[in-house]
Amino acid sequence: DAKTTQPTSMDCAEGRAANLPCNHSTISGNEYVYWYRQIHSQGPQYIIHGLKNNETNEMASLIITEDRKSSTLILPHATLRDTAVYYCIVRVAPNTNAGKSTFGDGTTLTVKP
Amino acid sequence: GAGVSQSPSNKVTEKGKDVELRCDPISGHTALYWYRQSLGQGLEFLIYFQGNSAPDKSGLPSDRFSAERTGGSVSTLTIQRTQQEDSAVYLCASSSHYDSSGANVLTFGAGSRLTVL
Repeated sequence: DAKTTQPTSMDCAEGRAANLPCNHSTISGNEYVYWYRQIHSQGPQYIIHGLKNNETNEMASLIITEDRKSSTLILPHATLRDTAVYYCIVRVAPNTNAGKSTFGDGTTLTVKP
Repeated sequence: GAGVSQSPSNKVTEKGKDVELRCDPISGHTALYWYRQSLGQGLEFLIYFQGNSAPDKSGLPSDRFSAERTGGSVSTLTIQRTQQEDSAVYLCASSSHYDSSGANVLTFGAGSRLTVL
């Protein structure tokens, strides 16, 4: 699995958009970008994933650059409950033998009132 | 079950003792993962099971660590002769090739917190 690089920490004002970047310059053609978050004392929770097109769901939006070497997770209206560690990982396509998934240290997002 | 279940949720043991941590994956999930998370750190991959294939043990830190998955369902992570540096939260996750959404999402349990005195 390709490695990812994320900033260690970020702050965001409540109600504003939180934009979390991720670099994955060694991503392979069959690897998807996945985002998870981990709220204190809980297991990580899936947020969103994508291959090359931008994706949106009820939790967030995912913007992937055309060369696929980086992506941005967008929380459009951050709340205090969005304070968590956010992990960006890349792994092979769904519905195949996905193998292990390597998580880095993630970005600690702190949403402030 | 509705989610991934791990037990015990907390375990305190003395250095040198053996411990077993259990993971019940979501029913029907063919893949099962173990990760370790030390205080304030990210997730460290330990081992991965996929169906009847040989497990990927490349993340196990030493031969004191082992894991098995019986009947393609429940998994047990065993740590022999525990050391203080083994203190961490041990997280289990499962996923399905045949997830109806096609996302092959990892669903994590709440973890087992191990403290070695």
